[in-house]
Amino acid sequence: AQTVTQSQPEMSVQEAETVTLSCTYDTSESDYYLFWYKQPPSRQMILVIRQEAYKQQNATENRFSVNFQKAAKSFSLKISDSQLGDAAMYFCAYRENTGNQFYFGTGTSLTVIP
Amino acid sequence: GAVVSQHPSWVICKSGTSVKIECRSLDFQATTMFWYRQFPKQSLMLMATSNEGSKATYEQGVEKDKFLINHASLTLSTLTVTSAHPEDSSFYICSAMSASNQPQHFGDGTRLSIL
Repeated sequence: AQTVTQSQPEMSVQEAETVTLSCTYDTSESDYYLFWYKQPPSRQMILVIRQEAYKQQNATENRFSVNFQKAAKSFSLKISDSQLGDAAMYFCAYRENTGNQFYFGTGTSLTVIP
Repeated sequence: GAVVSQHPSWVICKSGTSVKIECRSLDFQATTMFWYRQFPKQSLMLMATSNEGSKATYEQGVEKDKFLINHASLTLSTLTVTSAHPEDSSFYICSAMSASNQPQHFGDGTRLSIL
């Protein structure tokens, strides 16, 4: 079974600084999707960024970028110029190309210090 | 785009009653919808996957008769918690997907409190 591991239950970052959230996953598939979702205190899940496994180029979305290391099965999220509104739980998720089910990590709680 | 509306956002009811939660995709057709349960400070736990017009697929350990799911149209899925008890109190989140190569879009969640 696929598993997604987020080894950092909590992280903190100074406002305007950069922080990296780690995520590793286990799969025998070669084609799949990876996602980072953000869940602020309002509890709504918001898609931050996605990566297709067949793409070597790391996905970027404004201040958010990923470091996708397929061989190492690693998918870390980098947040640059952190803002107070970035404070939230961040969930890494995996989905097979041929399936619908998402596998979520246990989440990382990010605190942004003013 | 890709807005998913979930209603109600918060419901409090007495033990033994049934509660229906609606999940609507407002600007796209959702071929697949998902229902999750989330306990405080924990990750999302998938309860079931529903495809329009067919029976939902439940995850192991989730009671089908307890959590009734209906996905009658491409824009609406409902979760009914039947004969709810205090242990059913939780945060329930739905998500919808338009196609298999698209991300899931989540509703705002429903906080269910059973007294």
